[in-house]
Amino acid sequence: QVQLVESGGGLVKPGGSLRLSCAASGFTFSDYYMTWVRQAPGKGLEWVSSISGSGTTMYYTDSVKGRFTISRDNAKNSLYLQMSSLTAEDTAVYYCTRGGGIAFDLWGQGTVVTVSS
Amino acid sequence: AIRMTQSPSSFSASTGDRVTITCRASQGISSYLAWYQQKSGKAPKLLIYAASTLRSGVPSRFSGSGSGTDFSLTISCLQSEDFADYYCQQYYSYPLTFGGGTKVEI
Repeated sequence: QVQLVESGGGLVKPGGSLRLSCAASGFTFSDYYMTWVRQAPGKGLEWVSSISGSGTTMYYTDSVKGRFTISRDNAKNSLYLQMSSLTAEDTAVYYCTRGGGIAFDLWGQGTVVTVSS
Repeated sequence: AIRMTQSPSSFSASTGDRVTITCRASQGISSYLAWYQQKSGKAPKLLIYAASTLRSGVPSRFSGSGSGTDFSLTISCLQSEDFADYYCQQYYSYPLTFGGGTKVEI
């Protein structure tokens, strides 16, 4: 079935690192831009990063540039977000979504990242 | 970055009401606008894309309109399951941006 399943969230100390993963199934993964969207507690949705289907083009929101790296492995139908130098402002639910230059038509259930000492 | 301004940020309504949420872009985005519904503790769901195209499976009481900078989402007859948060989002250019959200509550 068509779905996205995130993993890798957890509690990390300020300055620490974490790698999120998203497993895709039920569609031709390499045909789509993929995106990470986050939502801080009690706040709205925030676009974080997108990557083209081939993995050659990436975009980042300013607040994560130089700290986060988006990547994908089309052979494994997987999307990743490597996060480093984490701060409390990165605390959020992180959603994997299908889309980029199109609307986000498929969402994962989200994975929670908490940055706290 | 293109700023998306939604209004109102929240409001109270009753089942059967006709409700309209507006979204304004800080610059023209043609029809590259989507609307999402998010219920508490759940992932968002796409309702409308290309400003006015209803996603398959979404009830026809939802409709979208607009182009350029001004857009709206209308729920023609509010049902109990429609009480949720709604977000607009532009996918015209990067950085992609969302509106601040509208909470529709009883």
